[in-house]
Amino acid sequence: DIQLTQSPSFLSASVGDRVTITCRASQGIDSYLAWYQLKPGKAPKLLIYAASTLQSGVPSRFSGSGSGTEFTLTISSLQPEDFATYYCQQLNSYPRTFGPGTKVDIK
Amino acid sequence: QVQLVESGGGVVQPGRSLRLSCAASGFTLRSYGMHWVRQAPGGGLEWVAFTWYDGTKSYYADSVEGRFTISRDSSKNTLYLQMNSLRAEDTALYYCARQKEGSGSYYPFDYWGQGTLVTVSS
Repeated sequence: DIQLTQSPSFLSASVGDRVTITCRASQGIDSYLAWYQLKPGKAPKLLIYAASTLQSGVPSRFSGSGSGTEFTLTISSLQPEDFATYYCQQLNSYPRTFGPGTKVDIK
Repeated sequence: QVQLVESGGGVVQPGRSLRLSCAASGFTLRSYGMHWVRQAPGGGLEWVAFTWYDGTKSYYADSVEGRFTISRDSSKNTLYLQMNSLRAEDTALYYCARQKEGSGSYYPFDYWGQGTLVTVSS
């Protein structure tokens, strides 16, 4: 199975900050990676797939990059509605594993 | 618009069974691959199961293989997860999710429900 790690596991930031989250895969997965946003009581939301393709309707302040084993999710200017937990997921093979998550909290 | 609504969760004793449902609206279920994903209390996301758009193939996480069965009823536009021999470690919020089509060979999960809570406890 492909294992994913994320760093940091927690970050505290302010509105307007630039935030970067890293996801690393235990083996190469080309660009088969997605990012999701989770908020309590809400349905998870797809942000990015194919490592860097923005899902329709997602604000352009979100961007993704990387390929192979190292990937990043960047929020260029953090907004109040962005405080949430973010997960990466590999789409290369089954089981479709997720990273452990990064919680973005208000400083 | 696309909507997924899970139901069927509750409190169940270890060793018993439970069937979860996921009612789909705004799209035709038989045209899409569908997944179940769970999140244990205080934990992260864990992929559970997948069924092809036509139901001919399914995949399962090792942790549920042989105990859980994913299925669909196209006439009701509903996805199911039959869970047998439940264990305490199956306690989680269970989400159904649709697999995105038209994205090349990438198949992320583009729509999710809000989940239904399963608690396995004596």
